[in-house]
Amino acid sequence: ETGVTQTPRHLVMGMTNKKSLKCEQHLGHNAMYWYKQSAKKPLELMFVYNFKEQTENNSVPSRFSPECPNSSHLFLHLHTLQPEDSALYLCASSQRTSTDTQYFGPGTRLTVL
Amino acid sequence: QQPVQSPQAVILREGEDAVINCSSSKALYSVHWYRQKHGEAPVFLMILLKGGEQKGHEKISASFNEKKQQSSLYLTASQLSYSGTYFCGTEITDKLIFGTGTRLQVFP
Repeated sequence: ETGVTQTPRHLVMGMTNKKSLKCEQHLGHNAMYWYKQSAKKPLELMFVYNFKEQTENNSVPSRFSPECPNSSHLFLHLHTLQPEDSALYLCASSQRTSTDTQYFGPGTRLTVL
Repeated sequence: QQPVQSPQAVILREGEDAVINCSSSKALYSVHWYRQKHGEAPVFLMILLKGGEQKGHEKISASFNEKKQQSSLYLTASQLSYSGTYFCGTEITDKLIFGTGTRLQVFP
């Protein structure tokens, strides 16, 4: 596989469920990101990891919990979500800083019932 | 902080030109342009750095006016494949903030 991959591509969950989104990049990059994209809204930056260290948490509710075990993998753990959390969750990676070219994965379409 | 894009939507016939603008209230260090086709991930088009540099990518070019804190994306002789949502991303204090997006539809 090449580029940035995300699994699952679609996820439906209840408000009391716990699930995780996975992102993997095969580009040798050191920075990884989570974005939320809702209908008719811009890309909202959620978290940034640089060399496995979290460098940005954009006031994201604690029901979203990121994890970066190494430079190639990024997870987003979800628990007790709300219907308004339904959105497309995009993962991206870049070589180093937040301002390097970012390569996006295909996203996970999340629906919270 | 979020850059504002205009227009919000554009409808074109194949071969027509379009301009998409991106304005920021903050001083800019660079501007990134991305295109997202329906159901797909955003794809990088180009970066413009301080200095008013103009760049090109096939028949898509862009300019960056740091004094006016804005960038413009020029699509010349549009093709069907240009359809999608265009986002500008502005670099503010080492963070990339994306604009509201401009939806472009090209019809035959």
